[in-house]
Amino acid sequence: KAGVTQTPRYLIKTRGQQVTLSCSPISGHRSVSWYQQTPGQGLQFLFEYFSETQRNKGNFPGRFSGRQFSNSRSEMNVSTLELGDSALYLCASRPGTGGNEQFFGPGTRLTVL
Amino acid sequence: GIQVEQSPPDLILQEGANSTLRCNFSDSVNNLQWFHQNPWGQLINLFYIPSGTKQNGRLSATTVATERYSLLYISSSQTTDSGVYFCAVGDNYGQNFVFGPGTRLSVLP
Repeated sequence: KAGVTQTPRYLIKTRGQQVTLSCSPISGHRSVSWYQQTPGQGLQFLFEYFSETQRNKGNFPGRFSGRQFSNSRSEMNVSTLELGDSALYLCASRPGTGGNEQFFGPGTRLTVL
Repeated sequence: GIQVEQSPPDLILQEGANSTLRCNFSDSVNNLQWFHQNPWGQLINLFYIPSGTKQNGRLSATTVATERYSLLYISSSQTTDSGVYFCAVGDNYGQNFVFGPGTRLSVLP
């Protein structure tokens, strides 16, 4: 079974721009979660999608949004980028029902200049 | 929300030594995982262990849910074990997943 994939792996943007990151979960997994990792704040939960609905949300501003498609693939969007948004963004998938173990993708490293 | 602590924050070992990493959490959980983050940022699943004991080669883990802690044991450490080890827990609703701050392990040859 293929693992969780994320694209792109690296991204450089400038302040004020917007960015879209993509995540494809493990086949059969219906839950996708997003996390931000920074040296100062560690790994923080952004949001979780299950069956195309946002099921849970972390404490991030509205500039961070996401969506999930019918094939369970998910996208995360960050608008009006700030320098502090530079981070490693990790996506995780799990079955969503009957299984809680999360599996992570390789991440997208975003640099905001 | 749930608070997760890990100790020690940093650990330096000589190759071949054993170590114990600890994870304390503040509330009941229905999900607990240990991860190893490699230098490229990938989180590698080590154990899914909301309770009980598991072993995988030189690694083993124990979670005592009633006392709200988990331990990760690394025996006969190798230089490739170096990296950051994270404990992460899920609350009883199974929806929010909280990471600890990690333990940075350095294994010297």
